[in-house]
Amino acid sequence: NAGVTQTPKFQVLKTGQSMTLQCAQDMNHNSMYWYRQDPGMGLRLIYYSASEGTTDKGEVPNGYNVSRLNKREFSLRLESAAPSQTSVYFCASSGPTGGSGYTFGSGTRLTVV
Amino acid sequence: QKEVEQNSGPLSVPEGAIASLNCTYSDRGSQSFFWYRQYSGKSPELIMSIYSNGDKEDGRFTAQLNKASQYVSLLIRDSQPSDSATYLCAVTGYGGSQGNLIFGKGTKLSVKP
Repeated sequence: NAGVTQTPKFQVLKTGQSMTLQCAQDMNHNSMYWYRQDPGMGLRLIYYSASEGTTDKGEVPNGYNVSRLNKREFSLRLESAAPSQTSVYFCASSGPTGGSGYTFGSGTRLTVV
Repeated sequence: QKEVEQNSGPLSVPEGAIASLNCTYSDRGSQSFFWYRQYSGKSPELIMSIYSNGDKEDGRFTAQLNKASQYVSLLIRDSQPSDSATYLCAVTGYGGSQGNLIFGKGTKLSVKP
């Protein structure tokens, strides 16, 4: 049982390049989330998907797009990467109300130069 | 603006002592409360959840909730060096964002042998 799987684990981009972070969960969870974590800033919600077919903005959505491809997969796209997007990105999933907490993926460490 | 506040630490305790971690939250409608442990370079891991006022014990961990004071705490008894990590407090919102967790910035705990 893999839980939440994120790829890639590490990535270096040049300013202006694009990339997609992939996330898949095998726990039959309805809700999925993308967070970024920066020193001193804690975990900040970028986008979330409460159920298949829906997505909503979180606290820091600018510069990102998401796709809930199906119940298992939720991807995060950076269309034109900026150095301010250098961060550690975590995908998470939860049951319908999040009342049982989240399960996190192992994270993607992204550096934009 | 919903907020979760934690003392950033570092909190240093000797091995075998009780570590006490505290958290306050601003949203009176929050229904569920969680503690996550995050080792350096790793993803957050759920260690405790609590939903009603009072104490909840699980092994060496005790979570305490006081909704009237909007206060959550985590006690770690017989602290071990392996408990050295950053501890994140998280609470749920209510209404439309019921499933979304709001995270504190974390308290760094150091257990000295």
